[in-house]
Amino acid sequence: AQKVTQAQTEISVVEKEDVTLDCVYETRDTTYYLFWYKQPPSGELVFLIRRNSFDEQNEISGRYSWNFQKSTSSFNFTITASQVVDSAVYFCALINNDYKLSFGAGTTVTVRA
Amino acid sequence: GAVVSQHPSRVICKSGTSVKIECRSLDFQATTMFWYRQFPKKSLMLMATSNEGSKATYEQGVEKDKFLINHASLTLSTLTVTSAHPEDSSFYICSAQRDPTGNEQFFGPGTRLTVL
Repeated sequence: AQKVTQAQTEISVVEKEDVTLDCVYETRDTTYYLFWYKQPPSGELVFLIRRNSFDEQNEISGRYSWNFQKSTSSFNFTITASQVVDSAVYFCALINNDYKLSFGAGTTVTVRA
Repeated sequence: GAVVSQHPSRVICKSGTSVKIECRSLDFQATTMFWYRQFPKKSLMLMATSNEGSKATYEQGVEKDKFLINHASLTLSTLTVTSAHPEDSSFYICSAQRDPTGNEQFFGPGTRLTVL
């Protein structure tokens, strides 16, 4: 069985602050993939990143960065210098050998001007 | 590439009627598609896995007779909510798997169903 935990239900920040979203996962498989998705109020899921279990390199894409630590089974996501447009629900997800995506509960990020 | 569409985007129906939602992969073939349900302020829950040319595999607790899934071609899967009731009101999202390794799914924009 696999499980994804996003302990933070809601985070509210003021524009330009940094915000870090936590994601902890459980899986028995050695090969798996981790994802982050953004869901704005429109509802459509926006793909942000995919990381396989053998690639622990951290990644930066613009204001977004991800910290993958297998030792703690965590895949945290940081938004630097947040903007109002970053307000959304963010989901962490995991897929393993059964090809089924398991989503975390999501973290609602509100960025205030 | 890898665009998935859903139709309709929003539907309102009366209790007792059936509603069909289409999920199409527009620029790739998808042997496997997935259907998710999302309640307000909740996460996405996998309902079923739809394989082209075969019966869908439903997750535990999902009623097969209530949520009929048909995957007639490599680019189209349909979800029919039969005899809909207000508790079926939800946001339904499909995804399509492009590559055989199955580690990436492309999501449709979702369909918001409201049953009166």
